[in-house]
Amino acid sequence: AQKITQTQPGMFVQEKEAVTLDCTYDTSDQSYGLFWYKQPSSGEMIFLIYQGSYDEQNATEGRYSLNFQKARKSANLVISASQLGDSAMYFCAMRKGVMDSSYKLIFGSGTRLLVRP
Amino acid sequence: EAGVAQSPRYKIIEKRQSVAFWCNPISGHATLYWYQQILGQGPKLLIQFQNNGVVDDSQLPKDRFSAERLKGVDSTLKIQPAKLEDSAVYLCASRLRQVNTEAFFGQGTRLTVV
Repeated sequence: AQKITQTQPGMFVQEKEAVTLDCTYDTSDQSYGLFWYKQPSSGEMIFLIYQGSYDEQNATEGRYSLNFQKARKSANLVISASQLGDSAMYFCAMRKGVMDSSYKLIFGSGTRLLVRP
Repeated sequence: EAGVAQSPRYKIIEKRQSVAFWCNPISGHATLYWYQQILGQGPKLLIQFQNNGVVDDSQLPKDRFSAERLKGVDSTLKIQPAKLEDSAVYLCASRLRQVNTEAFFGQGTRLTVV
């Protein structure tokens, strides 16, 4: 069965420094996708970055990059130059299902990031 | 582009009462999801619609939860009767009908059952 594991319940980082949030996954599918979402205190889930299982290069979106290690089944999120506004919950998620009609997201338990000034 | 709209934002009810949540997805998004997020946990899928048909409701407690998506646009999620353990944030999400597109989420409805 597909599963997402986030082992860091909480993390601190100093403003302007980089931080890595861990995510490991378990799946027997050959084709899958991995997502990271940010959830601020306001509650909405904000999409950050996506990595497909067949993508050869690590995904990057501005200050966000995804360190994808397929053999180790890990998809860690790296945030560079942390800002106070980065303080939030961060969720790793995996697309389950190859066919569009069965596409659904399975989420990990999340990591709470606090950026210190 | 307008985002996913949900209402109400907050709701407090007594156990055994009923409650309904409403979601208006992004225009043109065929797929709609309802997730339940209990405090301190990641979201858990309750039900998935493709247009107005149910694709997956395997984790929906059907003895008390129901959902519909009439005309393939707006959706409502209902709980009747509510239990204390239903206290959670209920998130609605929608996405285009393409494999690798992300889902867009609403701000959620925070339900407290007392």
